[in-house]
Amino acid sequence: NAGVTQTPKFRILKIGQSMTLQCTQDMNHNYMYWYRQDPGMGLKLIYYSVGAGITDKGEVPNGYNVSRSTTEDFPLRLELAAPSQTSVYFCASRKTGGTYGYTFGSGTRLTVV
Amino acid sequence: QKEVEQNSGPLSVPEGAIASLNCTYSDRGSQSFFWYRQYSGKSPELIMFIYSNGDKEDGRFTAQLNKASQYVSLLIRDSQPSDSATYLCAVQLPMEYGNKLVFGAGTILRVKS
Repeated sequence: NAGVTQTPKFRILKIGQSMTLQCTQDMNHNYMYWYRQDPGMGLKLIYYSVGAGITDKGEVPNGYNVSRSTTEDFPLRLELAAPSQTSVYFCASRKTGGTYGYTFGSGTRLTVV
Repeated sequence: QKEVEQNSGPLSVPEGAIASLNCTYSDRGSQSFFWYRQYSGKSPELIMFIYSNGDKEDGRFTAQLNKASQYVSLLIRDSQPSDSATYLCAVQLPMEYGNKLVFGAGTILRVKS
């Protein structure tokens, strides 16, 4: 049982490049989330999904896109990378219903130069 | 904008003392409240959750909730140097907001030996 797996762990992008951050979970969780965390700041929600085929915007969606074709995978796409997207990105998942905390992946540290 | 406020710290306590971490939230409809611990360079780890007014104890940790005052706290008894970390308060929004978690910016705790 691997939990939530994120790849890559580190990445340096040049301004204007694109990339996909991968997230997969093996706990059969319906709910999945993408957050970013800037230094000294809390976690800001980018996008979330309540199940395969369903996604919705969070607090800071601009510059990002997501898809959810399977229960397991929830990739985050960055188009035309900008320095403002330099951050640590966390993927998380949780069970449906009730009071359940999130299980977080180990994070992706992205630098845009 | 749903807000969660925490004192950023750092909060410094001597080894063996009680550390008291506080959090206030803006949405009165919030039902569930979580405390996460985050070591530097690591992902957040769930340590406590609470959804009823009063206290909830788990080992050296006690979470306290006062919905009338919109206040959540975390007490750490017999603080150890290994407790030094950033503590994130998270509030689960009501169903009409997708039950999303909103995070505070975190309180840095330093336990001095």
